[in-house]
Amino acid sequence: NAGVMQNPRHLVRRRGQEARLRCSPMKGHSHVYWYRQLPEEGLKFMVYLQKENIIDESGMPKERFSAEFPKEGPSILRIQQVVRGDSAAYFCASSPTTSGVGEQFFGPGTRLTVL
Amino acid sequence: GQSLEQPSEVTAVEGAIVQINCTYQTSGFYGLSWYQQHDGGAPTFLSYNALDGLEETGRFSSFLSRSDSYGYLLLQELQMKDSASYFCAVKYFNKFYFGSGTKLNVKP
Repeated sequence: NAGVMQNPRHLVRRRGQEARLRCSPMKGHSHVYWYRQLPEEGLKFMVYLQKENIIDESGMPKERFSAEFPKEGPSILRIQQVVRGDSAAYFCASSPTTSGVGEQFFGPGTRLTVL
Repeated sequence: GQSLEQPSEVTAVEGAIVQINCTYQTSGFYGLSWYQQHDGGAPTFLSYNALDGLEETGRFSSFLSRSDSYGYLLLQELQMKDSASYFCAVKYFNKFYFGSGTKLNVKP
C-alpha cells in the first residue's frame, strides 16, 4: 500500500509565477490536510478537504491560495503570483476517517523556493 | 488559536532517557498526538493519548493530563537515530494544531 505521495518534491518559481502542488492520499483515505512549514518551525494548518469539498480553509490566505480535491485525481494546492514569502515546505497528510483524531499520514513534502 | 508550547531544544547522550514536555492552552480537544520529523523528512506518527495516563509503545511512551493541560513524550534507551524534531499536536474541530517542535540532539 503506497503511502501519501506528493509531487514535485522541489519546485522553483520566480516571483509572479504560479505554483501547483499535488498530493495523492493513501489508498482508501478520503480526508486530506495541507500544512506549511518554515525552517525551524512547526506545521501550520492551511486547509482540510474531503472529496470534492473544502471543509475548512481558515488557515489558508484568502488571496492567491486555493485548494481542491476532485472526485478523480490528486488534491491540488495552487499558489498564484508567488512571492518570496511563499518559500516553505508544504506537506499534505491524509487520514481514513472523519475523526482521524490521532494519526495522520504525511507525504514527503514539496519544497517551494521563490526566486 | 490554540497554543502548544514545547522546549526548543534538548540534548542527551546515547542510552539515556529524555522527556519532552508539551503544555497547551486549549480545551475540548480529542487527544494529544506526537510526531517525529528528521531533517528534510516528513513527520511520522509516534503516539496518541485519548485519555489521561501513560501510553507505551516500545522505547517511546507518552503521557497526558488534561487537568494539568500537560503532556510529555518519554524516549528511553536513546539511539543516535532518535536525533530529530518532535512535535505535539491536538485536533480541535477540523484543524490540527502543532507545537513549534523540540529538536533532540543525541550525543555519543
